[in-house]
Amino acid sequence: QKEVEQNSGPLSVPEGAIASLNCTYSDRGSQSFFWYRQYSGKSPELIMSIYSNGDKEDGRFTAQLNKASQYVSLLIRDSQPSDSATYLCAVNMRNTPLVFGKGTRLSVIA
Amino acid sequence: KAGVTQTPRYLIKTRGQQVTLSCSPISGHRSVSWYQQTPGQGLQFLFEYFSETQRNKGNFPGRFSGRQFSNSRSEMNVSTLELGDSALYLCASSPFDPSNYGYTFGSGTRLTVV
Repeated sequence: QKEVEQNSGPLSVPEGAIASLNCTYSDRGSQSFFWYRQYSGKSPELIMSIYSNGDKEDGRFTAQLNKASQYVSLLIRDSQPSDSATYLCAVNMRNTPLVFGKGTRLSVIA
Repeated sequence: KAGVTQTPRYLIKTRGQQVTLSCSPISGHRSVSWYQQTPGQGLQFLFEYFSETQRNKGNFPGRFSGRQFSNSRSEMNVSTLELGDSALYLCASSPFDPSNYGYTFGSGTRLTVV
């Protein structure tokens, strides 16, 4: 069973705080991991990719990967109300280019 | 650079009918995938096409089919529509392998079956 699991939320954080979004996956052979952001009524947009264990930073976003624990996370520093959206974790798996989690809804409170 | 274009944006169909959705990928992108998105199931993979060949297929019934043309444009067809087929259908393109490059999504086609 190919699975990507995320807490559905909502995750509420105050403006300026760090938002931490988590994702676990079932396939030990997975090699590539992506985070997408989806605003209500819009399509998903790619915000981060990570392929190696450790941290990858891009502006206010940091992706963290631990393949041994089959765990990937996304940190959003200095959260803004405009970050309020659903965040989707996507993982490559055998015979499926990308398997998506159901997403975590983030709400940043001003 | 134009994004991924999906047409139509909205469709209302009756049970038992069939429907064809269209997708034009970003210029130069050769991989096109289709996903179904519903509130309960999230994004579910339908199929992926590369160079006019189906490269991967998800776990959907045979009523769901697709194809890709030589210019990389893709269509998906759903025959004998059921109420449960009501969903947002998203097309996504990638330069070569989505596992390496990720996807760019189109705006989607919202299908309502009544």
